[in-house]
Amino acid sequence: QKEVEQNSGPLSVPEGAIASLNCTYSDRGSQSFFWYRQYSGKSPELIMFIYSNGDKEDGRFTAQLNKASQYVSLLIRDSQPSDSATYLCAVNRDDYKLSFGAGTTVTVRA
Amino acid sequence: NAGVTQTPKFQVLKTGQSMTLQCAQDMNHNSMYWYRQDPGMGLRLIYYSASEGTTDKGEVPNGYNVSRLNKREFSLRLESAAPSQTSVYFCASSTGGRGTEAFFGQGTRLTVV
Repeated sequence: QKEVEQNSGPLSVPEGAIASLNCTYSDRGSQSFFWYRQYSGKSPELIMFIYSNGDKEDGRFTAQLNKASQYVSLLIRDSQPSDSATYLCAVNRDDYKLSFGAGTTVTVRA
Repeated sequence: NAGVTQTPKFQVLKTGQSMTLQCAQDMNHNSMYWYRQDPGMGLRLIYYSASEGTTDKGEVPNGYNVSRLNKREFSLRLESAAPSQTSVYFCASSTGGRGTEAFFGQGTRLTVV
């Protein structure tokens, strides 16, 4: 079983819609959860992190964590063409080892 | 601010050749990482170093060795390159600890022929 699993996509949404991305993890001891965005040919960059159950909002982005279900999600509201990228879920198990999922490619249609 | 610097950016190797990928960070971070990225596979952890003087295996360590030369530098060595090691390699660093952001280098595109 992979440590971090994501819907492979691709996910296509119209401009202005909500994009919903999902991620599950296998290790119940995981403590921190991250969403990175990666544009084609570029390095990943952090969007946000979460480590408490519930929702965390930052602008148009909302991360949701449910440790009981070992599930973390990312919502992108009012999607823009500039949001078209691959989104990577990452899990930090022991404050040091950072493991990533395969990523979900999002395309926002103008 | 340079952040995380990787060298080289591109490399072509012949099967069996060896090489070292270099990574340096100027953010005084404790933890450093090496990942490889293949199409559809996301980022897979090769090795990481939680702090200076320590290194640990990640998900895909076979065929690689690492050295944490000092706090700034973390190198990745391929002793005998194989076509299966054709990939984009990313180095990253972080302060370590809960919720800390990992910063990535620009990547090294390696092709083994």
